[in-house]
Amino acid sequence: EPEVTQTPSHQVTQMGQEVILRCVPISNHLYFYWYRQILGQKVEFLVSFYNNEISEKSEIFDDQFSVERPDGSNFTLKIRSTKLEDSAMYFCASSNAVAGPSTDTQYFGPGTRLTVL
Amino acid sequence: GENVEQHPSTLSVQEGDSAVIKCTYSDSASNYFPWYKQELGKRPQLIIDIRSNVGEKKDQRIAVTLNKTAKHFSLHITETQPEDSAVYFCAASKGSGGSYIPTFGRGTSLIVHP
Repeated sequence: EPEVTQTPSHQVTQMGQEVILRCVPISNHLYFYWYRQILGQKVEFLVSFYNNEISEKSEIFDDQFSVERPDGSNFTLKIRSTKLEDSAMYFCASSNAVAGPSTDTQYFGPGTRLTVL
Repeated sequence: GENVEQHPSTLSVQEGDSAVIKCTYSDSASNYFPWYKQELGKRPQLIIDIRSNVGEKKDQRIAVTLNKTAKHFSLHITETQPEDSAVYFCAASKGSGGSYIPTFGRGTSLIVHP
């Protein structure tokens, strides 16, 4: 069964550095999402992306964040200048919602654990 | 915006017992309610979902009920097994099509004792 993949599994960075988290959504999916989960807390929506542009974003997704689909398979999340509070697990998800409401299930990747020192 | 409350935060049961997790939501326009299971250090995985035009849905040992009037929905797991131990998240969202954005509850840590 196809799965969403993410790299790296763990990223350690210094405060103020830029990081790029990478995701490969399921190949026939057209909607892409990023979520974050601070340790021990709930999953929080960051941004959704469709047709090469952001569909929706949350208050968390400020100017320090950006997303890109640089080619036909990858979907990236960039944090320009990381802060200590950016430390979290970041999940990518994808869905094939344009095929109809019954297909808008989101499938999550395994996550990237970001540690900002 | 949507607010989802989930209870209990921790649920401990004996193997074979039933477990019930309850969620309430605030936005009456929400129409899609997925439940995710997250094992320690792993990705959230969809286990069951329900839409607002349905009151109940069952899949083997798992069932979900929805009360639109009261704005609450529940997950029921029967004949629990140790491998059911995980954190379970409910979510509420609105819209059809891909731009639906789920608001998650805070999660319930289910512990099934053998």
